[in-house]
Amino acid sequence: QKEVEQDPGPLSVPEGAIVSLNCTYSNSAFQYFMWYRQYSRKGPELLMYTYSSGNKEDGRFTAQVDKSSKYISLFIRDSQPSDSATYLCAMTLINTGNQFYFGTGTSLTVIP
Amino acid sequence: EADIYQTPRYLVIGTGKKITLECSQTMGHDKMYWYQQDPGMELHLIHYSYGVNSTEKGDLSSESTVSRIRTEHFPLTLESARPSHTSQYLCASSDPDRGRTEAFFGQGTRLTVV
Repeated sequence: QKEVEQDPGPLSVPEGAIVSLNCTYSNSAFQYFMWYRQYSRKGPELLMYTYSSGNKEDGRFTAQVDKSSKYISLFIRDSQPSDSATYLCAMTLINTGNQFYFGTGTSLTVIP
Repeated sequence: EADIYQTPRYLVIGTGKKITLECSQTMGHDKMYWYQQDPGMELHLIHYSYGVNSTEKGDLSSESTVSRIRTEHFPLTLESARPSHTSQYLCASSDPDRGRTEAFFGQGTRLTVV
């Protein structure tokens, strides 16, 4: 079983839609949760970073962590064509020496 | 904004050639990583370092080697490139001891071995 599961999509939505991206994980010890955005032929760019359970909002982006369900989400409000990218979830725990565990990424296209 | 740089961005090279992929960061992070990324696949850790003179192999078997002589520099070397090495290589850094648990990535090197 993979440590982190992420639906690869592809996901296609009209401009202005609310997008929900999700990951599940198996290791209840994960403490830190990240979302990255990766444009084609570029490196992943950190979007959101959360510690433990709860919500975190940054502009149009909201990251949500539910540790009891081992489930994390990224919501994008008022989606724009520039949001078209692959979104990777990642998580880590300090006592593994800060090793990271990544999802396979979800490909998102926002249609104008 | 992350200050981690990879060169070259793109490289096409013949089989059997020796290559070095460069990675430098100006953030003073102790931990650095090399990942391999193929389309539709998760990132695979091939090497990591906890600091100067510390290097470890990751979970993906690799014929590459790394060195960490300076904090800011973490080059990856392939002694003899093969077509199976064709992939995107991503360098990253983090510094949990200073509260930077998240990974910061470079722009990647897309390697094609012909």
